Amino acid sequence: TQLLEQSPQFLSIQEGENLTVYCNSSSVFSSLQWYRQEPGEGPVLLVTVVTGGEVKKLKRLTFQFGDARKDSSLHITAAQPGDTGLYLCAGRDGTASKLTFGTGTRLQVTL
Amino acid sequence: EAGVVQSPRYKIIEKKQPVAFWCNPISGHNTLYWYRQNLGQGPELLIRYENEEAVDDSQLPKDRFSAERLKGVDSTLKIQPAELGDSAVYLCASSPLMGGRSSYNEQFFGPGTRLTVL
Repeated sequence: TQLLEQSPQFLSIQEGENLTVYCNSSSVFSSLQWYRQEPGEGPVLLVTVVTGGEVKKLKRLTFQFGDARKDSSLHITAAQPGDTGLYLCAGRDGTASKLTFGTGTRLQVTL
Repeated sequence: EAGVVQSPRYKIIEKKQPVAFWCNPISGHNTLYWYRQNLGQGPELLIRYENEEAVDDSQLPKDRFSAERLKGVDSTLKIQPAELGDSAVYLCASSPLMGGRSSYNEQFFGPGTRLTVL
């Protein structure tokens, strides 16, 4: 069973601060996705990274896939209250048929 | 375009009672997933369908859980009998098949059904 551990589990910060969320595994993934989930809703895809070392930017969010394709990070610059939510990483195995979700990081951004 | 539709949104039942959840995926999406999500944690796959075929049900507790997708479109997930530990959000997701595989495809999630077992 492939496990994806996210850290931190909870994060409460003020508007304007920067933060980084980590997603780690001992397994290699063919690709990795990041989702954000708001209360009462399903997860929504933010990004997919495929190549080891790949960096993708989505406005204030920067995603990086580790060189060995075992880990990933999400960095948010100048966080805003609208960034509040549950952030989930999810990795696909070598056959690309199964998506395994991480343990989740709950972010709260206050004014 | 309509998203993934799930009903009911909330369900409260007593233990040992049966319960069923319904999902209508995005039109044209061949692949359908049922996940269970405990509070503050990531979703865990229960079953994956490609059209009407269940291609991965290894994580489905088959003694009490069952699912069907008879015409390859909408799907139902049933629990009978429910236990206290079944309290969770049950998410349905769908994705299109591309090149014969669902690899790398975005999964579109419904809002989920929050089940409380008393």
